[in-house]
Amino acid sequence: GENVEQHPSTLSVQEGDSAVIKCTYSDSASNYFPWYKQELGKRPQLIIDIRSNVGEKKDQRIAVTLNKTAKHFSLHITETQPEDSAVYFCAATSGGGADGLTFGKGTHLIIQP
Amino acid sequence: GAGVSQSPRYKVAKRGQDVALRCDPISGHVSLFWYQQALGQGPEFLTYFQNEAQLDKSGLPSDRFFAERPEGSVSTLKIQRTQQEDSAVYLCASRRGGGSTEAFFGQGTRLTVV
Repeated sequence: GENVEQHPSTLSVQEGDSAVIKCTYSDSASNYFPWYKQELGKRPQLIIDIRSNVGEKKDQRIAVTLNKTAKHFSLHITETQPEDSAVYFCAATSGGGADGLTFGKGTHLIIQP
Repeated sequence: GAGVSQSPRYKVAKRGQDVALRCDPISGHVSLFWYQQALGQGPEFLTYFQNEAQLDKSGLPSDRFFAERPEGSVSTLKIQRTQQEDSAVYLCASRRGGGSTEAFFGQGTRLTVV
């Protein structure tokens, strides 16, 4: 089955700086890669996703890049703000979203004022 | 409702007790997923329904875990003879279907087995 590795487990950045979180996956059949943000005690919420036929996708301060050959994808957050502090999870699935997601272990992002 | 609703929010069970966790998906959503999230970890897939059909239950950790969605809407995850290692947050997610990929999560049920 699919295996998703996520790094780093904790990331502390100064407010206004950029943050990058990286994930690798094992199943070359995976074709859908969402990123979820989870605040303490709350539900995971989708912030951005990418399909395997696209190399990069951007939404305001958030971007995701995908390298299918190397089987890795990354989340980039620019101009970080205090409200970006949360745990971020990457995930992968081979069903275009039809199958269950395999999640990474999460990255605790801390924005220092 | 506006989102995926789960109940109860918190459940404390004595070891050996049976528990039932409920998920109300977004109205009209075809797909429903259950995940288990241990403290400090990412959600782990348990099972998947398309309407009332359980298409994948490969993630259920043992035969003590059972899920159903008899009318294709509300789903119940049942855990029999609970054990301490069952303590976790159980998340439900639903998806509209028809090519839609975004899964919407509920707030979860935090199960503590004592």
